[in-house]
Amino acid sequence: NAGVTQTPKFRILKIGQSMTLQCTQDMNHNYMYWYRQDPGMGLKLIYYSVGAGITDKGEVPNGYNVSRSTTEDFPLRLELAAPSQTSVYFCASSALGGGGTEAFFGQGTRLTVV
Amino acid sequence: DAKTTQPPSMDCAEGRAANLPCNHSTISGNEYVYWYRQIHSQGPQYIIHGLKNNETNEMASLIITEDRKSSTLILPHATLRDTAVYYCIVRASGGGADGLTFGKGTHLIIQP
Repeated sequence: NAGVTQTPKFRILKIGQSMTLQCTQDMNHNYMYWYRQDPGMGLKLIYYSVGAGITDKGEVPNGYNVSRSTTEDFPLRLELAAPSQTSVYFCASSALGGGGTEAFFGQGTRLTVV
Repeated sequence: DAKTTQPPSMDCAEGRAANLPCNHSTISGNEYVYWYRQIHSQGPQYIIHGLKNNETNEMASLIITEDRKSSTLILPHATLRDTAVYYCIVRASGGGADGLTFGKGTHLIIQP
C-alpha cells in the first residue's frame, strides 16, 4: 500500500520557469491537500479538494494552481517560479474532512528557485 | 479551529516516558485534539486523536483534561527515533475540509 506518493523529491527551478508537482494516492480518499513548509515553520495550506472536479484556495494560494480530474491525482502547478516559492511541499489526503479522521502525508518535494 | 500553545522544545531521556503538553483553552465542544509528528523534514505522521476521553494506541496515549482546555501526549518508552517535532492541532468535526492548521510544534529531543 503506497499511500500518498509525491514526485519529484527534489527540484531546482530558475526564476520564471514553471513546473508541476505530482501527487497521487491509492486509498480512494475524497479529500486532498497541498501544503508548503518554510524552514523552521509549520505547514501552510495552499489548496485543497473535496473530490474530483472540486478545488478551493487555502491560506497561501497565490502563485499556484491545482486541478483534480480524478480521485487519485491532485497536481500542483507553479507557473512563474519566484524565490519566495522555495520551500518543501507536502501533499496529503484524508477519507473525510473535519475532525474525527486522520490525514496521510506524502514525503514531500523540496523545491529551490534560483 | 481553536488555537493551541506548545513549548518550543523539550528533552527526554531514552527509555523514559515523554510527556508533551498542549494548551487549547478556547476549544469548542465539537473540536477534536490531534497529534502529528514530523521526523527530520519528512511528511507529518499521524499519532493519535481524541474528543473527550483519554485515548491509547500502539504509538502513544492522549490525556485530555476534564474541561478540555489542555492535553498531554505521552510516549511511554521514548527511543532515539522519537526525536521529532510534535504538533498539537484542534479540528472541528463535520465540515472543515480546509485542512489542518499547523503551528510551530514542540521539538522533542530524546537523549541517549
